[in-house]
Amino acid sequence: LAKTTQPISMDSYEGQEVNITCSHNNIATNDYITWYQQFPSQGPRFIIQGYKTKVTNEVASLFIPADRKSSTLSLPRVSLSDTAVYYCLVGDGNQGGKLIFGQGTELSVKP
Amino acid sequence: DAGVIQSPRHEVTEMGQEVTLRCKPISGHNSLFWYRQTMMRGLELLIYFNNNVPIDDSGMPEDRFSAKMPNASFSTLKIQPSEPRDSAVYFCASCTGGNIQYFGAGTRLSVL
Repeated sequence: LAKTTQPISMDSYEGQEVNITCSHNNIATNDYITWYQQFPSQGPRFIIQGYKTKVTNEVASLFIPADRKSSTLSLPRVSLSDTAVYYCLVGDGNQGGKLIFGQGTELSVKP
Repeated sequence: DAGVIQSPRHEVTEMGQEVTLRCKPISGHNSLFWYRQTMMRGLELLIYFNNNVPIDDSGMPEDRFSAKMPNASFSTLKIQPSEPRDSAVYFCASCTGGNIQYFGAGTRLSVL
């Protein structure tokens, strides 16, 4: 499974756009890139998944360059409730969904 | 759907006691995962099942830990005997075979 590297922490203010970049230099052809969000005392929650280019849903956007060695999670106009840990993972669905969580990025949104 | 259901939510026990954590995956999901989360080690995958069969238990810390999945709607993680270093939050997750996992609320275990 490809290893991922992301910043340990980030600070932001309400209303700003937040971009969290993840490096995955050893991503394999069959790997998808998936982001999860975890609030204190809760289990991780799926946010978004992509393979290449750009994916957008009601929560976030995911930008993936052509070489797929990195990806950027974009959270538009964050609020205090977006304060959480964000995990970037890469994995092959053919492996039965096995994922390895890194340390994640602790996002702190301030008023 | 009620999502992944874990019980109990909190468990406090004494060292040496047996602990059993329970998980009900989302109906129709054929993969189930057990994770452990601590401040020091983060979120660790302990074991996962596909179609009720254990596929990878390389994350199980030692023989004191065991997991079973007798049917598609139920799994247990057992620790016997428990030790203080087992104190952590244990999560169960399920998915349909891709890699979008749905997590339960977790069981917070404290071993005194």
